Order: sequence, then C-alpha cells, then structure tokens
Amino acid sequence: AQSVSQHNHHVILSEAASLELGCNYSYGGTVNLFWYVQYPGQHLQLLLKYFSGDPLVKGIKGFEAEFIKSKFSFNLRKPSVQWSDTAEYFCAVGDSWGKLQFGAGTQVVVTP
Amino acid sequence: GAGVSQSPRYKVAKRGQDVALRCDPISGHVSLFWYQQALGQGPEFLTYFQNEAQLDKSGLPSDRFFAERPEGSVSTLKIQRTQQEDSAVYLCASSLAQLAGGGAYEQYFGPGTRLTVT
Repeated sequence: AQSVSQHNHHVILSEAASLELGCNYSYGGTVNLFWYVQYPGQHLQLLLKYFSGDPLVKGIKGFEAEFIKSKFSFNLRKPSVQWSDTAEYFCAVGDSWGKLQFGAGTQVVVTP
Repeated sequence: GAGVSQSPRYKVAKRGQDVALRCDPISGHVSLFWYQQALGQGPEFLTYFQNEAQLDKSGLPSDRFFAERPEGSVSTLKIQRTQQEDSAVYLCASSLAQLAGGGAYEQYFGPGTRLTVT
C-alpha cells in the first residue's frame, strides 16, 4: 500500500530564513507528486506538482521541490520565507486516476 | 470565478442522526472526489466519481457512508446513524480529468464541511 510521510509536524522560523519540508513516499507504480498548501481560513490549493521530466519543479510564490527517485523523496523548499507563508503544507501522491494520498501535514509558522 | 462550493459549512449532529453533505464542483469538471480530514491529519480519500459513475469507493469507512452524483454534477455524501468517530472535515474536490492517466490534472478543493457528532 502506498504511504506518504512528512518529517515535521510543526516548523517555526523567522522571516527571510530558508525553508525545507521533507516528504517521503512509498508507491509501487508511476508517481504523481504534489504539494498543497492551506493558508489560514482558506481552501487547500496546489503549490506545485511533478509528473515527469525535470525533477526540479517550480511552483507558485517562489516554492520549488525536487523529486529524488532513489530516495523516494519530494522535498519542498523556499530560499527566503515571508510572514505570509504561514500555513499548513501537505505532500501528496496521486495515482493515475487522480486519487490522492496525503501526508499528515506540516504546520509552518513564520515570525516577523 | 466560481470554485468548488460545499454546504453546509458546519454541521452538528447528535449521534444516530443521518446527515447529508453537498458538493457543487466547478462547472465542466468531470471528476469529483470526497476526502475526510480528521483533526491534525491530512485528508484521506473516501470516494471518486467520473461523471455520474462512482468508480472507486474503497475509502468509505463503513456501509453507513454513501455518496451519489446522479446527474454528473452536484454530489451528496450521506452518513447514516452518525457516530462520534465520524467527526471530521469533509472535503470535496473536482478536476478536469476524464481518463485513466488523468492524475496529472489539478484537483480544486472546496472549503469543506466540518461535521461534529455529539
């Protein structure tokens, strides 16, 4: 069975610090990988996705993620966070039909 | 533009009551997904429709849970004889995906219905 593991449940950092959130998955087939974000009081929305090709993908708001097949990882990064990046971040693996399996989420708090 | 809408946004039910949760997907979106999100957890898949056909209901936790999408647009998730463990946020998502291999399509999520069973 596929699973998704996010390493940190809570992260607190200051503005301008760099952010990296870990995500590992186990899945036997071709993977579609996603990072979703939920800002306070808002819907889940897509940050970025990987299906094939360049393993370094860029998303909205300056986020990027790197797919490392050998490590079954898809870590999210941002070089310099802003207060507005305070949110909960979810890594997800999708099957070919679109069914998503999510990690438990990481709550990120950026302090001014 | 109009996104995915869900109603009610909040529902309090007494244990044993039946509830119905509604999802209005984005117009033209073929695929519709329901997820359950318990407190402090990520969303968990419940069921999936392509148009009116329910192609996967493997995530429904018991036979008290039932979902339908009779005309291929609006969907209803019904929970019979609610239990305290049913308390969660129920999320609906829709996408343009029409075929196997449609996993590449982005899912657009609604705001969710927060169900509390007392």
